[in-house]
Amino acid sequence: EVQLVETGGGLVQPGNSLKLSCATSGFTFSTAWMNWIRQTPGKRLEWLAQIEDKSNNYFISYLESVKGRFTISRDDSKSSVYLQMNNLKEEDTAIYYCTPNYGGLNWFAYWGQGTLVTVSS
Amino acid sequence: DIQMTQSPASLSASLGETVTIECLASEDIYSNLAWYQQKPGKSPQLLIYDASSLQDGVPSRFSGSESGTQYSLEINSLQSEDAATYFCQQHHDYPYTFGAGTKLELK
Repeated sequence: EVQLVETGGGLVQPGNSLKLSCATSGFTFSTAWMNWIRQTPGKRLEWLAQIEDKSNNYFISYLESVKGRFTISRDDSKSSVYLQMNNLKEEDTAIYYCTPNYGGLNWFAYWGQGTLVTVSS
Repeated sequence: DIQMTQSPASLSASLGETVTIECLASEDIYSNLAWYQQKPGKSPQLLIYDASSLQDGVPSRFSGSESGTQYSLEINSLQSEDAATYFCQQHHDYPYTFGAGTKLELK
């Protein structure tokens, strides 16, 4: 059974940083491409970042609006993916999900329960 | 970025009815479209990918189709458990973008 467990969310002040983690099991993590997607309080879904697998040199893509503030990374030995978020803004308030996909098949069949990030002073 | 315009924003239908939800892509996405269902407090669940391929375990009353850059999700014989919000997503190009969602209520 595929499991994705996101952690690290919480209440943070604008300008501060937060690092999200996603522990996975039940699928071949090393060959999966991993994504972060968020859902705003208004229910809008927004894809944020993708990191490909080792065979693709861990190629990374970002949504332009988070490039330079967010950093995706992975640790294949721990079957985990991370999202470092810096200089957080109130509009970053959302539920953050990690999801896997396999090369070129860019739909998302598995989702975790998400972790809530609230950016507020 | 590819814009996905989803309609309607909400609809109400009765048990047993058939409903259609649409997404219009701002450019050709070559059938690279997925549909998701999300129930309150839950994560999105994949229904359809590649415009018309049914994800394993999804009831056959769900179907997807396309006409040019217009994509449709049809739900036949509505069941009570179909009450949810539905989203489309283009998986053709970065950044992958979603429609704004359609909230389906059962009368």
